[in-house]
Amino acid sequence: RKEVEQDPGPFNVPEGATVAFNCTYSNSASQSFFWYRQDCRKEPKLLMSVYSSGNEDGRFTAQLNRASQYISLLIRDSKLSDSATYLCVVNALDRIIFGSGTRLSIRP
Amino acid sequence: NAGVMQNPRHLVRRRGQEARLRCSPMKGHSHVYWYRQLPEEGLKFMVYLQKENIIDESGMPKERFSAEFPKEGPSILRIQQVVRGDSAAYFCASSHRTGEHEKLFFGSGTQLSVL
Repeated sequence: RKEVEQDPGPFNVPEGATVAFNCTYSNSASQSFFWYRQDCRKEPKLLMSVYSSGNEDGRFTAQLNRASQYISLLIRDSKLSDSATYLCVVNALDRIIFGSGTRLSIRP
Repeated sequence: NAGVMQNPRHLVRRRGQEARLRCSPMKGHSHVYWYRQLPEEGLKFMVYLQKENIIDESGMPKERFSAEFPKEGPSILRIQQVVRGDSAAYFCASSHRTGEHEKLFFGSGTQLSVL
């Protein structure tokens, strides 16, 4: 089993739709969690941190479920510019593990 | 405040040559990570360094690859006797500290093409 697993997608949704991704992790000692966004042939960029209480940043909401060992990302009112690959990142103290990413494509 | 700087942006080498990739971390950051990404694939961890120390090189191929982060100057990822399979994007990331809530900031990457 991979340490961090994501559905590779692609998710193909219409503009304005709500879309959600999950990411599961295997190390119960993991301490912190993040979502990164990567555009084609560009470097990954931090989208948001994920806290136990859940957090929201505009149209983006991230949740952490420690009991089930998964994190989620919800995007509301999706825009064309949201098309990218979304990477789940898990920090288990001395190791930072990236998921393989979920590809999202927003169509007009 | 400059971000993570990588150079060159593109590097072309013939089989058997050496490739040197450089990474200057963000100001104030003393931790550097190198990742490799093949087309249509995810980021693969290669090595984690602090100044003058290799902390984790579990992702580095056993041969031909080496990395350093000297006291002065950028971190260097060195690939000797390159082969076509080394063609990939190599990303460097830096962070301020280890532990909880550590966040990585990435450079723009070096695209290595081996002819």
